[in-house]
Amino acid sequence: AQSVTQLGSHVSVSEGALVLLRCNYSSSVPPYLFWYVQYPNQGLQLLLKYTSAATLVKGINGFEAEFKKSETSFHLTKPSAHMSDAAEYFCAVSETGGYNKLIFGAGTRLAVHP
Amino acid sequence: EAGVAQSPRYKIIEKRQSVAFWCNPISGHATLYWYQQILGQGPKLLIQFQNNGVVDDSQLPKDRFSAERLKGVDSTLKIQPAKLEDSAVYLCASGRPQGRDAGGTDTQYFGPGTRLTVL
Repeated sequence: AQSVTQLGSHVSVSEGALVLLRCNYSSSVPPYLFWYVQYPNQGLQLLLKYTSAATLVKGINGFEAEFKKSETSFHLTKPSAHMSDAAEYFCAVSETGGYNKLIFGAGTRLAVHP
Repeated sequence: EAGVAQSPRYKIIEKRQSVAFWCNPISGHATLYWYQQILGQGPKLLIQFQNNGVVDDSQLPKDRFSAERLKGVDSTLKIQPAKLEDSAVYLCASGRPQGRDAGGTDTQYFGPGTRLTVL
């Protein structure tokens, strides 16, 4: 069965510092991987997705993630945090060849302080 | 293009009452999903439609939850009777059929959700 583990339910960084949000997955078949962001009282917005093309995926708002098959990881990074990045971030996996059912991690809440 | 619309945004009911949520997907999107997001957890898929047919309802508590998408467009999710543990945000998402999007998977676009509180 597929699963997603996000290490760290809360991450706090200074404005301008590197953002690193960790995601590890388990899947018996090559997966599709996603990062979504959720701002308070809003739905989820897609940041980026991996679909077996380039292993380094660039998304919106300066975020990127690298697919590492050997580590079963898909960590999300941003070189320089902005105050507006404060939100909850979810990693998700779906199976290739399936009906696109998404399995989400528990989420990581990112706080950015001045 | 207009996004996924959901109503109501907030609902407070007492246990054993019934409640219904409505979702209007993005125009042209054949797939529609309902997720339940309990506080502190990631969203969990309840049911997935492809046009007006059910593709996956394996995690839908069918003794109390029901959903329909009669004309393949908008959808309603109903809970009857509600329990305290049903307090959550109910998210609707829509997407294009697999294969239409780059890479062979559809991107799911989420609505703002309905926050349900059961007292």
